[in-house]
Amino acid sequence: QKEVEQNSGPLSVPEGAIASLNCTYSDRGSQSFFWYRQYSGKSPELIMSIYSNGDKEDGRFTAQLNKASQYVSLLIRDSQPSDSATYLCAVYTGGFKTIFGAGTRLFVKA
Amino acid sequence: SAVISQKPSRDICQRGTSLTIQCQVDSQVTMMFWYRQQPGQSLTLIATANQGSEATYESGFVIDKFPISRPNLTFSTLTVSNMSPEDSSIYLCSVAAGEESPLHFGNGTRLTVT
Repeated sequence: QKEVEQNSGPLSVPEGAIASLNCTYSDRGSQSFFWYRQYSGKSPELIMSIYSNGDKEDGRFTAQLNKASQYVSLLIRDSQPSDSATYLCAVYTGGFKTIFGAGTRLFVKA
Repeated sequence: SAVISQKPSRDICQRGTSLTIQCQVDSQVTMMFWYRQQPGQSLTLIATANQGSEATYESGFVIDKFPISRPNLTFSTLTVSNMSPEDSSIYLCSVAAGEESPLHFGNGTRLTVT
């Protein structure tokens, strides 16, 4: 069964620090990877998509992909209290199916 | 990205009843997806709603329990039938622009079954 694994957290970082969120996946053939942010009581919101090995930066967010290690990460620089949320890693596994990890809860302390 | 409207946003229902959730998209989309998010859990795909054909259900989900309609390219409904407290979840409608494109979600329906 195809799986996406994340540490559930909570991950607590001080304001201004770098938050590092990690994700591993089981399907070696996966090609598309996504990070979502979900505030409590809200629906998931897309932050980043990444399709190639290496880093992809968008503002304070950097997604990193290593297909050989089946590993995806999200770095949040200069973390703000408003970044406090659950971050979901998602992997497209083919056949119009996207599998989500259980999410990592992030707390940014002011 | 598409604007996805879901209703109701929340409901409290009694055991044994059914609830139909509506999902309206502001543009035509080929595939629409219904997910469930149980308390403290991640998202689980219930089914893929195809226009003009039967929905495709994931393992553990059956049409009798979760009938889906897809009458056109901008609208779908999910019915949760004969509800039990275990059906208490957030139900999310989502769409994608293409096969490997990211999903975008509606605001969700928070269902509580008593």
